[in-house]
Amino acid sequence: DVKVTQSSRYLVKRTGEKVFLECVQDMDHENMFWYRQDPGLGLRLIYFSYDVKMKEKGDIPEGYSVSREKKERFSLILESASTNQTSMYLCASSEGGGNSPLHFGNGTRLTVT
Amino acid sequence: ELKVEQNPLFLSMQEGKNYTIYCNYSTTSDRLYWYRQDPGKSLESLFVLLSNGAVKQEGRLMASLDTKARLSTLHITAAVHDLSATYFCAVEPETGGFKTIFGAGTRLFVKA
Repeated sequence: DVKVTQSSRYLVKRTGEKVFLECVQDMDHENMFWYRQDPGLGLRLIYFSYDVKMKEKGDIPEGYSVSREKKERFSLILESASTNQTSMYLCASSEGGGNSPLHFGNGTRLTVT
Repeated sequence: ELKVEQNPLFLSMQEGKNYTIYCNYSTTSDRLYWYRQDPGKSLESLFVLLSNGAVKQEGRLMASLDTKARLSTLHITAAVHDLSATYFCAVEPETGGFKTIFGAGTRLFVKA
């Protein structure tokens, strides 16, 4: 079974802090994704990566950056956290070539105060 | 820009009843996915639909895809309480790499 592990289940940070969310997958998947989930809005794509060191913006990349130095790890960075970034963050991975479902981590609930 | 719309967004139904959740999307695609999310949990893949006319069934759930109408349906037959969850459809457009866009989700509550 694919395992996607997010480093923290809950995080509380202060406005202006730099925040790192880490995600690791163990199935050698090429594609990795970061979504945020907010009530009534579903999942919105922040960034995705289809290879090491490659990244593409999703629908809401503003205020975020990502890093993928190794195939199994995809990090989401909030350069200067703001209260409107309080949300549930979900990492996912999928096999290369498309046509395969996403495998999700358990999520990180981030609160910015 | 790809948009994915689900309806209804909330559904409360009695056990034993049938119902259908609809997923419309705005651009060409023949790759559509359904996911289930239980409260406090992450998403799990239910169905992968990869061609026009594709139909998949698992237990009381059946999903279908009509790429010409840009519509997928998730049909629930004789609902049971254990089906209570939020169901998401997600679409991978033909262009745009592996970007997968989700609908807002349908919160299903099955009353015993």
